[in-house]
Amino acid sequence: AQSVTQLGSHVSVSEGALVLLRCNYSSSVPPYLFWYVQYPNQGLQLLLKYTTGATLVKGINGFEAEFKKSETSFHLTKPSAHMSDAAEYFCAVKAGGYNKLIFGAGTRLAVHP
Amino acid sequence: SAVISQKPSRDICQRGTSLTIQCQVDSQVTMMFWYRQQPGQSLTLIATANQGSEATYESGFVIDKFPISRPNLTFSTLTVSNMSPEDSSIYLCSVAGQGDSVGYTFGSGTRLTVV
Repeated sequence: AQSVTQLGSHVSVSEGALVLLRCNYSSSVPPYLFWYVQYPNQGLQLLLKYTTGATLVKGINGFEAEFKKSETSFHLTKPSAHMSDAAEYFCAVKAGGYNKLIFGAGTRLAVHP
Repeated sequence: SAVISQKPSRDICQRGTSLTIQCQVDSQVTMMFWYRQQPGQSLTLIATANQGSEATYESGFVIDKFPISRPNLTFSTLTVSNMSPEDSSIYLCSVAGQGDSVGYTFGSGTRLTVV
């Protein structure tokens, strides 16, 4: 069965600092991996996704993530945090013939001045 | 990617009543998904709705409590029946792109409070 673990339910960074949100997955087949962001009182917005090919994936708002098969990880990074990045971030996996997404528990990112 | 219109955006309901949530997509899609997000928690899939067939429910969710309709390739409804305060959640619909099961779009959600 597929699963996703997000390490750290809350992450706090200073504005301008590096953002690193951790995601590890479990899948018996090559996974498709996603990062979503949820701003307060809003739905989910896709930040980026990995399917096949290049393992470093660039997304919107300056975020990127690297698929590391050997580590079963798909960590999300951004070189310089902005106040507007404060939100909830979800990592998700879709695997094999199943079309549903399995979500991690989420990481709430706080950005302080 | 598809654009999803979900309504109502929020509602406050009395316990014991039912609420039907609508999800309209601007293009035809094969599969639609309904998720629940309980307060402060992640998303849990309720069911997958295919046009012309009964929805497939995940473990812990039953049709009597969450009946789903999928009359065509652009529309679906989720009903939350006989509500209790434990049903207070955000309910979201999602679609996978036609011909491309990678890339899921979500509606803005329905914030339900049961009193």
